[in-house]
Amino acid sequence: EAGVVQSPRYKIIEKKQPVAFWCNPISGHNTLYWYLQNLGQGPELLIRYENEEAVDDSQLPKDRFSAERLKGVDSTLKIQPAELGDSAVYLCASSPSGSYNEQFFGPGTRLTVL
Amino acid sequence: AQSVAQPEDQVKVAEGNPLTVKCTYSVSGNPYLFWYVQYPNRGLQFLLKYITGDNLVKGSYGFEAEFNKSQTSFHLKKPSALVSDSALYFCAVRAVPGRRALTFGSGTRLQVQP
Repeated sequence: EAGVVQSPRYKIIEKKQPVAFWCNPISGHNTLYWYLQNLGQGPELLIRYENEEAVDDSQLPKDRFSAERLKGVDSTLKIQPAELGDSAVYLCASSPSGSYNEQFFGPGTRLTVL
Repeated sequence: AQSVAQPEDQVKVAEGNPLTVKCTYSVSGNPYLFWYVQYPNRGLQFLLKYITGDNLVKGSYGFEAEFNKSQTSFHLKKPSALVSDSALYFCAVRAVPGRRALTFGSGTRLQVQP
C-alpha cells in the first residue's frame, strides 16, 4: 500500500515569494491533516479536512496561508507571501474515518525562506 | 487545552539494555495516546496507541507503553534496545471528546550505543 505522498521534498525561496505544497493521502482516507514542524519541536496542526471540508483551521494563519482539498482527495497548502519565520517542515497526514484511528504521515516538505 | 511533556531531550542507553522514554500528558476528558518515531529525512511512523482497556499496550518493533491514569503518564519501553532504535520519538495525545488533531510533545532523541 502506498503511503502519503508529498511534493516537493525540499523548497528554497526568497522571502515575499509564494510557495505551494502538495499532498496525496492514502487511498480511502477521508481525513487529511497539515502540520508544521519547527526544528527541535513536535508537529503542530495547521488544518484538518474531513473529505473536502475544512473542519479545524483555527491554527492556520489565514492572512498568508491557504489550503484546499478539491474532490476530497489531494490537498494543496499555499503560503503567499512567505516570511523568514515560515522556514520549517510541512507535514501532511491522513487517517481513515473514526476518532481513534492513528494518523499516517508523509515525509514532509522542508521549506527554507531566504 | 491539552498538552504533552517529554521531560528528556535525549536518552542514551547501551545496546541490549532496557530503554524508557518518558511522557506525561494533560487533557480534559479521556485521553487517546500515541507514540511515533521519526528517522532522519522521513515522516513520523506510528508505533502504538492507547485508546481504552489494558494499560499495557504493545506496538511495532518490540516497543510497548504503559498507561498510568493516576500519574497521567504514558512511558515508552523496550526490554532490549537495538542500535537501529536510535531516532527521535514523539508522544502525542488527543482528548475524547475534543479536537481530532493530535498534540505532540517536543520529542526525545534516543541514542543506542553499540
